Amino acid sequence: EVQLVESGGGLVQPGGSLRLSCAASGFTFSSYSMNWVRQAPGKGLEWVSYISSSSSTIYYADSVKGRFTISRDNAKNSLYLQMNSLRDEDTAVYYCARTRAHYSGSYYSFDYWGQGTLVTVSS
Amino acid sequence: DIQMTQSPSSLSASVGDTVTITCRASQSISSYLNWYQQKPGKAPKLLIYAASSLQSGVPSRFSGSGSGTDFTLTISSLQPEDFATYYCQQSYSTPPTFGQGTRLEIK
Repeated sequence: EVQLVESGGGLVQPGGSLRLSCAASGFTFSSYSMNWVRQAPGKGLEWVSYISSSSSTIYYADSVKGRFTISRDNAKNSLYLQMNSLRDEDTAVYYCARTRAHYSGSYYSFDYWGQGTLVTVSS
Repeated sequence: DIQMTQSPSSLSASVGDTVTITCRASQSISSYLNWYQQKPGKAPKLLIYAASSLQSGVPSRFSGSGSGTDFTLTISSLQPEDFATYYCQQSYSTPPTFGQGTRLEIK
């Protein structure tokens, strides 16, 4: 059974830092690219960042570029998000989500999601 | 970035009804469109990928159609467990973007 379990959320002051983790199990983690997606309280879904299976390709949303860093450790089956210079508007539930390629990679979707970890940025 | 707009933002329906949710992209995205279901306090769940392909394990009462800029998610014979919020998402270009969501409520 595929499982993604996020941790590391909590309350942090504006300007502070936090490191989120996502522990993966039930599949060959090193074969899949991964993402972070967030959801502000009562709001919709916002993609945050992507990392390829080998970490060779990384993308960020403009809203977090230069402040957040995505990484992974395939030996530990883990995905990370280092968040620096946090702002009020970063308050959200952060989900890790697996990328699934369809039709020989022509299409992709987010097929498995963790339960999320809440990050609250407030003084 | 490609903007995704869903309509309606909310709708009420009864068990057994058939409902349709629309998603419009700000530019053509071919069939690079996914649909997700999210229940309160839970993670999103993939329903449909590539506009019309049903994710494994998803009931056949869910169907998707469309291409280019206009897409629909249809739920036939609504069941009590279908009352949730639905999101479309384009995978045509980076960044992937989501619609604002459609909340399906029990009438």
